Amino acid sequence: DAGVIQSPRHEVTEMGQEVTLRCKPISGHDYLFWYRQTMMRGLELLIYFNNNVPIDDSGMPEDRFSAKMPNASFSTLKIQPSEPRDSAVYFCASSFGHNEQFFGPGTRLTVL
Amino acid sequence: AQSVTQLDSQVPVFEEAPVELRCNYSSSVSVYLFWYVQYPNQGLQLLLKYLSGSTLVKGINGFEAEFNKSQTSFHLRKPSVHISDTAEYFCASSPGANNLFFGTGTRLTVIP
Repeated sequence: DAGVIQSPRHEVTEMGQEVTLRCKPISGHDYLFWYRQTMMRGLELLIYFNNNVPIDDSGMPEDRFSAKMPNASFSTLKIQPSEPRDSAVYFCASSFGHNEQFFGPGTRLTVL
Repeated sequence: AQSVTQLDSQVPVFEEAPVELRCNYSSSVSVYLFWYVQYPNQGLQLLLKYLSGSTLVKGINGFEAEFNKSQTSFHLRKPSVHISDTAEYFCASSPGANNLFFGTGTRLTVIP
């Protein structure tokens, strides 16, 4: 298996622009997680899905952030409009049931 | 509420020396505990996990951790480190092996 796939690996954009991060979980996994990692706040869970349904989005910082999972093999995290404070590494992870989470390589987002 | 405290932000250690990375957790309910490693510019990789059973857990790359309920600790140890162990290490807890609450991380630097 190729593992969790994230794209793009790096994204540089200007403040106010829309940013879309993409994730393909491991085939057969029924949980998908989005995390954000910053120096100031460490690793934070933003939202997670079970069987494509959002279960807990309490970590989403504000309405500018949205996440979707239209099918079992694809999820997006969208920021609109983006701000410099959104600069971070965004990780996607997936798991099968209550087992270990497998992390993708991350997307490094820089908002100028 | 759950939380994880990693007492040391940085740990330098000479090659082939033993190392212990400390982790304390707080939880009012049964908890699952994990250690993840993050190599530069990569995602997180599971080192080991404690779900139940034996309190001494062995993981990959020669690491082990001991669950101590009375001290609410889950310290990570390795008897002899290698240069390749230089990385960031994260302790995490979960009430149900899904919502992971991460510590702030410990940067292990192995000195030749």
